[in-house]
Amino acid sequence: AQKITQTQPGMFVQEKEAVTLDCTYDTSDPSYGLFWYKQPSSGEMIFLIYQGSYDQQNATEGRYSLNFQKARKSANLVISASQLGDSAMYFCAMREVTNAGKSTFGDGTTLTVKP
Amino acid sequence: SQTIHQWPATLVQPVGSPLSLECTVEGTSNPNLYWYRQAAGRGLQLLFYSVGIGQISSEVPQNLSASRPQDRQFILSSKKLLLSDSGFYLCASGQGTNQPQHFGDGTRLSIL
Repeated sequence: AQKITQTQPGMFVQEKEAVTLDCTYDTSDPSYGLFWYKQPSSGEMIFLIYQGSYDQQNATEGRYSLNFQKARKSANLVISASQLGDSAMYFCAMREVTNAGKSTFGDGTTLTVKP
Repeated sequence: SQTIHQWPATLVQPVGSPLSLECTVEGTSNPNLYWYRQAAGRGLQLLFYSVGIGQISSEVPQNLSASRPQDRQFILSSKKLLLSDSGFYLCASGQGTNQPQHFGDGTRLSIL
């Protein structure tokens, strides 16, 4: 079974609107971290936001917030006030304590922001 | 903060030729190091990881090998490239499940 599932291969959003990118995960490890990365067309991976499995509050970083629902094993990324520069591929990833700190990545969601 | 240097940025190689991609890390010591491959429009597939000098774990059987001759140097190699080795290769470092991985800018490898 896939450990990280991103069900939206592509998403469109109007500039200045909010968008939610879905991510569900599968683990039996009680301690894990969830990450979102942005990959522009140039290829570099840019870290956006982190959520720990024991964190009580949802993580926020500027226009990025993470909607963490532990019981449902979901960690959706919310981007508010979308900008044209947000057009990129977005990856959800998980690191587990029992997995030597290795990251498991989803297949990504390509976000296109329309002017 | 950590910086990952990875080169070359682009590489075109004939089938059957050897390969050596190098990755060096600045700003940290004793990092865990990782090699990923990314097919076009897809996610990252972990190829190798290393928790220390000379310690390499392979995630998938393949035509590639990795070495870590120094604490902050990680090398991806092949003796004979296959067409299926084409892709975007990323080197990353990271420690702890609560820390993001730091990535190099990647190498786009095309096999002809």
